[in-house]
Amino acid sequence: GENVEQHPSTLSVQEGDSAVIKCTYSDSASNYFPWYKQELGKRPQLIIDIRSNVGEKKDQRIAVTLNKTAKHFSLHITETQPEDSAVYFCAASDASGGGADGLTFGKGTHLIIQP
Amino acid sequence: NAGVTQTPKFRILKIGQSMTLQCAQDMNHNYMYWYRQDPGMGLKLIYYSVGAGITDKGEVPNGYNVSRSTTEDFPLRLELAAPSQTSVYFCASSYSYHRGDTDTQYFGPGTRLTVL
Repeated sequence: GENVEQHPSTLSVQEGDSAVIKCTYSDSASNYFPWYKQELGKRPQLIIDIRSNVGEKKDQRIAVTLNKTAKHFSLHITETQPEDSAVYFCAASDASGGGADGLTFGKGTHLIIQP
Repeated sequence: NAGVTQTPKFRILKIGQSMTLQCAQDMNHNYMYWYRQDPGMGLKLIYYSVGAGITDKGEVPNGYNVSRSTTEDFPLRLELAAPSQTSVYFCASSYSYHRGDTDTQYFGPGTRLTVL
């Protein structure tokens, strides 16, 4: 099955600076890579996603890049704001062998925005 | 639309008790999923369903059962609760055109379950 590794586990940045979170995946058949933001006690909320036929996608201050050859993808947040503080999860679809179509998640990155 | 709803929000069970976690969606999504999230960890897939009458195991199915009699509902059953099942359970749904082409998954608010 798919395995997703996420780094770092905690990231502290000054307000206004950029934050980068990196993930690697193991299954070359995976074709969908979403990023979720989860605030304490809340449900995961999709913030951006990318499919394997695209190398980069941007939505205002948030961007995701995908390197299929190296099997890694990254989340970039620019001009960070206090409301960006949360836990961020990367995930990959597990489309191998006709098995689960659910997502395999990384363990999460706790992003702390310092005022 | 209410989106994905889950009941109850919180529950405490004793070891060996049984319960059903309810999940419903009103977006006419064909795919539904159950995940569990342990403290400080990512979500792990328990079961999923690609449509009414069809269910499949995910990464961590032991100790759970599901059914999908309608498009809208996807209940998760715990038969003999164990402390290892203490977790937050999230239901999710998505619209998928075909297997292997997953669309955006929308999550419910979660059920926090404690087994003592």
